[in-house]
Amino acid sequence: GNSVTQMEGPVTLSEEAFLTINCTYTATGYPSLFWYVQYPGEGLQLLLKATKADDKGSNKGFEATYRKETTSFHLEKGSVQVSDSAVYFCALRQGGSEKLVFGKGTKLTVNP
Amino acid sequence: DAGITQSPRHKVTETGTPVTLRCHQTENHRYMYWYRQDPGHGLRLIHYSYGVKDTDKGEVSDGYSVSRSKTEDFLLTLESATSSQTSVYFCAISEPGGDRTLTDTQYFGPGTRLTVL
Repeated sequence: GNSVTQMEGPVTLSEEAFLTINCTYTATGYPSLFWYVQYPGEGLQLLLKATKADDKGSNKGFEATYRKETTSFHLEKGSVQVSDSAVYFCALRQGGSEKLVFGKGTKLTVNP
Repeated sequence: DAGITQSPRHKVTETGTPVTLRCHQTENHRYMYWYRQDPGHGLRLIHYSYGVKDTDKGEVSDGYSVSRSKTEDFLLTLESATSSQTSVYFCAISEPGGDRTLTDTQYFGPGTRLTVL
């Protein structure tokens, strides 16, 4: 079945450090891929997405590239801020289905 | 922000009692979902609806039922709550369409924290 594997957290960085959160997936065909972010005490918000191979999603300084050859969708940001502290979820949606499959989430803490 | 509200936002109940959580949307989206979020498990789909009175099971549906009598409301019921159902419950909505790049997104409510003692 479809599945998403994220690097386990928690991840703790200093402000302005480089961030990578790894995400790999297992799926048939060509799924859409997503990163969602959950700030403390809130619901999930879509951060970025990519719908086909080699697409790059980007938002708020975050980027992720859909790599079909490595079945990966790693999240990166060049310089993190304290306000980026949150839990990040990688997810996929299989073509023909509206259902999302989520990874377990990675908690990021950014210290000043 | 998508117009999604959940009620109640917090609830404490006792084992064996029935509990109903409500999700209300003002976006007229066709699909609605119920997830639970637990440490170490991420989000797991409980049930979803693809139209009024059209529902289907997700991966963790045992012990839960749902109903959707109108587009804007999706109810999740725990017939007899157990301590294993202590969790944070999220509702989400989406609107499928022909252009995947425009409609390929689920929008989430603020969540309901349920504690079963």
